[in-house]
Amino acid sequence: AQSVSQHNHHVILSEAASLELGCNYSYGGTVNLFWYVQYPGQHLQLLLKYFSGDPLVKGIKGFEAEFIKSKFSFNLRKPSVQWSDTAEYFCAVIPSTGTASKLTFGTGTRLQVTL
Amino acid sequence: GEEVAQTPKHLVRGEGQKAKLYCAPIKGHSYVFWYQQVLKNEFKFLISFQNENVFDETGMPKERFSAKCLPNSPCSLEIQATKLEDSAVYFCASSQRQTNQPQHFGDGTRLSIL
Repeated sequence: AQSVSQHNHHVILSEAASLELGCNYSYGGTVNLFWYVQYPGQHLQLLLKYFSGDPLVKGIKGFEAEFIKSKFSFNLRKPSVQWSDTAEYFCAVIPSTGTASKLTFGTGTRLQVTL
Repeated sequence: GEEVAQTPKHLVRGEGQKAKLYCAPIKGHSYVFWYQQVLKNEFKFLISFQNENVFDETGMPKERFSAKCLPNSPCSLEIQATKLEDSAVYFCASSQRQTNQPQHFGDGTRLSIL
């Protein structure tokens, strides 16, 4: 079974600081990878996804993530955060082959951006 | 519709009562998923459907939880004899295909068991 680790539980940054949130997964085969964001009181929104091809993927709102297969990592980055980026961020994986269809989520990273 | 619609937004039940949650997937999506989020993190997969057929129910507690997706009706998740530990936000998601399309989530139903 696959698993996802997000080592940063709570990150506090000042506006305009750069962001990198770690995500590592464990699975023996190929995977599809996702980052979702959950703003306070709202549902999960897809930030970006990786299925294949260029390991550097760009998402909405200036976010990007890099898939490093050798490290089983899919870290999320943003060069300059804004106060409105305050939210919970979830990394998720799903096997890209086979019959499994459920997303496996990490425990989330709470990002707090201060003015 | 263009969004996953979940009702109600908030449901309060006394311990031992029944709770029923509804989900209308995005039009044209074949797959529906239910997740339980406890304590603002820890998403736990419950069950998925391919159209009206159960696809994966490995996460479903067998005793009190049941779910259906019937043609021309919203999908439903029902909890019999609720317990305090069932308090959580229940999210529904839908997708077009099995693994190569992202899952789109609804706003969730917050279930509070008193």
